[in-house]
Amino acid sequence: EVQLVQSGAEVKKPGESLKISCEGSGYSFTSYWIGWVRQMPGKGLEWMGNIYPGDSDTRYSPSFQGQVTISADKSISTAYLQWSSLKASDTAMYYCARHTWNYVGGHYYYYGMDVWGQGTTVTVSS
Amino acid sequence: EIVLTQSPGTLSLSPGERATLSCRASQSVSSSYLAWYQQKPGQAPRLLIYGASSRATGIPDRFSGSGSGTDFTLTISRLEPEDFAVYYCQQYGRSPPRFTFGPGTKVDIK
Repeated sequence: EVQLVQSGAEVKKPGESLKISCEGSGYSFTSYWIGWVRQMPGKGLEWMGNIYPGDSDTRYSPSFQGQVTISADKSISTAYLQWSSLKASDTAMYYCARHTWNYVGGHYYYYGMDVWGQGTTVTVSS
Repeated sequence: EIVLTQSPGTLSLSPGERATLSCRASQSVSSSYLAWYQQKPGQAPRLLIYGASSRATGIPDRFSGSGSGTDFTLTISRLEPEDFAVYYCQQYGRSPPRFTFGPGTKVDIK
């Protein structure tokens, strides 16, 4: 079964650091981009960035560039999202998801974020 | 940067009715790079449609996607009780390479 399993809920204080994880199984982890999506309480989905575990190529949304770090350890099929200094405004649900692409006839086709983790709740409060 | 707008914000319908959801982009988007997702309360999003009109694995055929350029539509032909949820469109922009979600349309029971 193809799945992404995320680490558990976190409660942190402002200024603390945090690293959450997303472990893939049932497929070739190094061959698919993994994206991170934020959902603040009662709000919509925001794409934060993604990483290609095969070579660690990483892209960020301008809104999140410099605010978080996305990384991966392909030896254990795990992607990470980390903060060096949390703020109360980082309180949200964070999802990882697999981006699927297909290369056909000289073109790349996007097949969507087709596998999602269960989400990690991050609460930042003094 | 491409901005996605979804309308209406909320759609109040009864089971059995047809739902038509709109996603409009601030500039032209390749149909190959347009996807739709469904999210129910307390759950992760689920991929419904990719490539603007292709259903993802396991998605019932009452869901269909259409459109091109700047205007895309998700249609639910006959609403089932489990279809009441929030729906998001998503696009991929190549320059620079990044994804964007629309703000979502909530389909609730009338």
